[in-house]
Amino acid sequence: KQEVTQIPAALSVPEGENLVLNCSFTDSAIYNLQWFRQDPGKGLTSLLLIQSSQREQTSGRLNASLDKSSGRSTLYIAASQPGDSATYLCAATGNTPLVFGKGTRLSVIA
Amino acid sequence: DTAVSQTPKYLVTQMGNDKSIKCEQNLGHDTMYWYKQDSKKFLKIMFSYNNKELIINETVPNRFSPKSPDKAHLNLHINSLELGDSAVYFCASSQDSTENSPLHFGNGTRLTVT
Repeated sequence: KQEVTQIPAALSVPEGENLVLNCSFTDSAIYNLQWFRQDPGKGLTSLLLIQSSQREQTSGRLNASLDKSSGRSTLYIAASQPGDSATYLCAATGNTPLVFGKGTRLSVIA
Repeated sequence: DTAVSQTPKYLVTQMGNDKSIKCEQNLGHDTMYWYKQDSKKFLKIMFSYNNKELIINETVPNRFSPKSPDKAHLNLHINSLELGDSAVYFCASSQDSTENSPLHFGNGTRLTVT
């Protein structure tokens, strides 16, 4: 059974810092790994999807990497801004339906 | 021009009642989903429909019954509501049911059972 873990549960950084969010999964037989952003009272916004054959994906200041052998993915956010404050969730899709981690709550302080 | 829209946004009801949540997507996607996010913010899939056909049905009480009148709509009906049903329910859609289609989520329906 796939389990997805995100560490840390919460993170607070000053504006302008680069930061890394971590995601680990127990079953390496995944088809893809997705990163989402959730703002309070809102749904989830898809940020990046990494297919199992890929190592990383980039969108603007965001870069996500995938290492299936170690069961890990990271989301790198460059030059963080207060508008980046939100909860970031990763989710793995494999033989089991999309399994989410509990998220990392990020606060970027101006 | 909301892509995935759910109604209502908030739903407060008493135990034992029956309620429905509606979801519509205008993205032309073939696949739709219902997810439940509990008080600990843990998000778990409940159902998935592809072209009106049920393809995923996780361990959910049979008091929950999804209905897809067409591929743009996936409604969730809940019978005999219980306190433990209180949660935020999210509808989502994707281009198809393959594993490389990003999910698009609605803004959620916060259900409170008293």
